[in-house]
Amino acid sequence: ETGVTQTPRHLVMGMTNKKSLKCEQHLGHNAMYWYKQSAKKPLELMFVYNFKEQTENNSVPSRFSPECPNSSHLFLHLHTLQPEDSALYLCASSQLSPDSYRNTIYFGEGSWLTVV
Amino acid sequence: AQKVTQAQTEISVVEKEDVTLDCVYETRDTTYYLFWYKQPPSGELVFLIRRNSFDEQNEISGRYSWNFQKSTSSFNFTITASQVVDSAVYFCALSEESNTGKLIFGQGTTLQVKP
Repeated sequence: ETGVTQTPRHLVMGMTNKKSLKCEQHLGHNAMYWYKQSAKKPLELMFVYNFKEQTENNSVPSRFSPECPNSSHLFLHLHTLQPEDSALYLCASSQLSPDSYRNTIYFGEGSWLTVV
Repeated sequence: AQKVTQAQTEISVVEKEDVTLDCVYETRDTTYYLFWYKQPPSGELVFLIRRNSFDEQNEISGRYSWNFQKSTSSFNFTITASQVVDSAVYFCALSEESNTGKLIFGQGTTLQVKP
């Protein structure tokens, strides 16, 4: 069983819909991430949360809105998406510490999103 | 600039063959971390190994082995006696001391192991 769980695993939404992706980590980590994997691009970082505070926004369009209520939960709110936003969205977590050599990022199974 | 290159897009082997997946990286940091992940069709990225830049010792884990060569900026992954269950997409990734929260991924290599 993975330490990072994502729901839903599959989502089909229209361009005018509003939906959310949910992620929960059971590893006691203090940092959580959203990555995007689309067919034509390598895996790319979208957002980083460290102790519930957003520390990185990798030039992501505002139609993607992250929320991190605590260090175990992470959401990605979606609204007015485009068909090109169809992709696999992967949540991940890690323990950021001064001993950065300990920092391994663990991923969930991903949410397959299709925008129609 | 940071970059990870996996030149092999797809590799197909027959079961029990050995196979090596190549990874070449670029970074300006003197301290950095290299990773390999496996992605089966289900989508999850499974962590395989982490290597720190200050530790050039090669590692073996069962049928898996990794060859880290700082001089050529390479971190290659070898599967010995491949099995059908090894079929997946394999990603090499880099994170830097200056930003260990960010992984820079290669394009991935799709490995197909045929029975």
